[in-house]
Amino acid sequence: AQRVTQPEKLLSVFKGAPVELKCNYSYSGSPELFWYVQYSRQRLQLLLRHISRESIKGFTADLNKGETSFHLKKPFAQEEDSAMYYCALSRSGGYQKVTFGIGTKLQVIP
Amino acid sequence: NAGVTQTPKFQVLKTGQSMTLQCAQDMNHNSMYWYRQDPGMGLRLIYYSASEGTTDKGEVPNGYNVSRLNKREFSLRLESAAPSQTSVYFCASSDPTGGNEQFFGPGTRLTVL
Repeated sequence: AQRVTQPEKLLSVFKGAPVELKCNYSYSGSPELFWYVQYSRQRLQLLLRHISRESIKGFTADLNKGETSFHLKKPFAQEEDSAMYYCALSRSGGYQKVTFGIGTKLQVIP
Repeated sequence: NAGVTQTPKFQVLKTGQSMTLQCAQDMNHNSMYWYRQDPGMGLRLIYYSASEGTTDKGEVPNGYNVSRLNKREFSLRLESAAPSQTSVYFCASSDPTGGNEQFFGPGTRLTVL
């Protein structure tokens, strides 16, 4: 079974401080990992995925297969980063169900 | 393109009433999904449709039924609503050949009294 664990329901950081949202997964096989974000009063949207290896809005995430982690990082938090963040996992290749974590609410304090 | 649309946006039901949540997408995606979002529980998959003509149960299917009416539309029906079904419901679609990114609708906030 595939499982995604986000240990923190709420993460509060000051503006300008570094941010790390933790995500660990359980899956035997070749996973695809995603981070989705939901800003206030907006729909859930993809932030980034591990296969693209890109930085979006200053956020990066590296897949660590040894530690089965996919933590989301940003060196300097902005107020507009305040949102709900979901880590998600699916099998790679073709159609596959996506499993979401419970989400972490990021609160950036001015 | 409207993307993924859902109706209604809000609904209040009494216990035992039935209703259907509608979802449509205009991105020509094969796969469609229904999730519920609850505080502390994240997003949980109710039902999904890998392609037109197929539907399968997800993690929490009890109390729900679905219909994949055509490639564009995927509806979720509550036959006899219960207070435990109070939640925010999201429809999503994806194109597995495009990396399996899920595109979400705006959500339906359902309250069952």
